[in-house]
Amino acid sequence: NFMLTQPHSVSESPGKTVTISCTRSSGSIANNYVQWYQQRPGSSPITVIYEDNQRPSGVPDRFSGSIDRSSNSASLTISGLKSEDEADYYCHSYDSRRAVFGGGTKLTVL
Amino acid sequence: QVQLVQSGAEVKKPGASVKLSCKTSGYSFTTFYMHWVRQAPGQGLEWMGIINPSGGATTYAQELQGRDTVTTDTSTSTVYMELNNLRSEDTAFYYCARAYYYDMIDWGQGTLVTVSS
Repeated sequence: NFMLTQPHSVSESPGKTVTISCTRSSGSIANNYVQWYQQRPGSSPITVIYEDNQRPSGVPDRFSGSIDRSSNSASLTISGLKSEDEADYYCHSYDSRRAVFGGGTKLTVL
Repeated sequence: QVQLVQSGAEVKKPGASVKLSCKTSGYSFTTFYMHWVRQAPGQGLEWMGIINPSGGATTYAQELQGRDTVTTDTSTSTVYMELNNLRSEDTAFYYCARAYYYDMIDWGQGTLVTVSS
């Protein structure tokens, strides 16, 4: 069984760019797609990235996803930060029989 | 547009069962998988299981020790999740999520289940 490790929190100023990492403990990050979900307080999650780097319709192109085989990790990058981006972000992946979520990263837009 | 509308909040006693629903619309029901995910108060997301509405094949999280069952009613495009032998630690928001496979793309609004004596 693998785990996904995210930083507990990150913060950045409006207009800047922030990157949230997600490291897979075992098995290759490239073997199974990585998804990213945004959850604002009191709301259900919404998908901002699926299949490593795909954006659902309606998600602004300020959101991008990537994977890095060398560090066995995935990243969510948000550019041109806005106050509305302040939320919890969860990475997610899977193996043959189970799905795993990272512990979540609280993004504060200062 | 795609909609996942979940049933209302539930209050149950320890040892009881709860059956939640997720009524879907706006897409072909049998061509997308459905997951159930829960979130205890102040905690992260926890995957519970997946069903393929085309045929009904399921996979569950081992951590639930066989207490959950996911089913579908294709006539109403509805997915159900039943959780048995409820414990206080099952108090959580429960979400259904539509997926291409394990990549969730749309989420329901959530159902709060409170387990208390």
